[in-house]
Amino acid sequence: KNEVEQSPQNLTAQEGEFITINCSYSVGISALHWLQQHPGGGIVSLFMLSSGKKKHGRLIATINIQEKHSSLHITASHPRDSAVYICAVVMDSNYQLIWGAGTKLIIKP
Amino acid sequence: DAGVIQSPRHEVTEMGQEVTLRCKPISGHDYLFWYRQTMMRGLELLIYFNNNVPIDDSGMPEDRFSAKMPNASFSTLKIQPSEPRDSAVYFCASSFVNEQFFGPGTRLTVL
Repeated sequence: KNEVEQSPQNLTAQEGEFITINCSYSVGISALHWLQQHPGGGIVSLFMLSSGKKKHGRLIATINIQEKHSSLHITASHPRDSAVYICAVVMDSNYQLIWGAGTKLIIKP
Repeated sequence: DAGVIQSPRHEVTEMGQEVTLRCKPISGHDYLFWYRQTMMRGLELLIYFNNNVPIDDSGMPEDRFSAKMPNASFSTLKIQPSEPRDSAVYFCASSFVNEQFFGPGTRLTVL
């Protein structure tokens, strides 16, 4: 069993839909990252969370430390949101990241 | 700050050649990480440094790979000799406390 599990692996939706991507982990963490990778390959950090909820524009990230679960939400999705979204946790024993497999999101116009 | 800087952005080389990838971390960051991304294996941590000292190199695939950090503002990842299976995107990231900031990556193709 992977230490970081993301779901779904692939998601196709219509423009305007509300999107949810989930991340569950089994290790002790000090923080969790949500990252975005566009087809060009660059990785952009969207959020780093250690508790609660963060919002940036149409993106919302939540984390429940007790349940070891985080979600990334996109409101009013747009084709430019099409990318791979990656959940990565920072282990509390060191600063290493453990990556989820990523969720490939396609938003159709 | 310009962020994490990597060079070159693209490298195409022939099997057997030496390849050197370079990274300049964000000033003030005390951790530096090298990652490799392939379709088959996703993102893998190769090695990381703390205050220029290698802490964990267990992800380095084999002796052909070596990494150095001679000072706080520069690191190299070297592959000698390179092989086609080394073709991947190599990311460098730096951090202070927890949040890692990624460079744009170097896309390496070994023919």
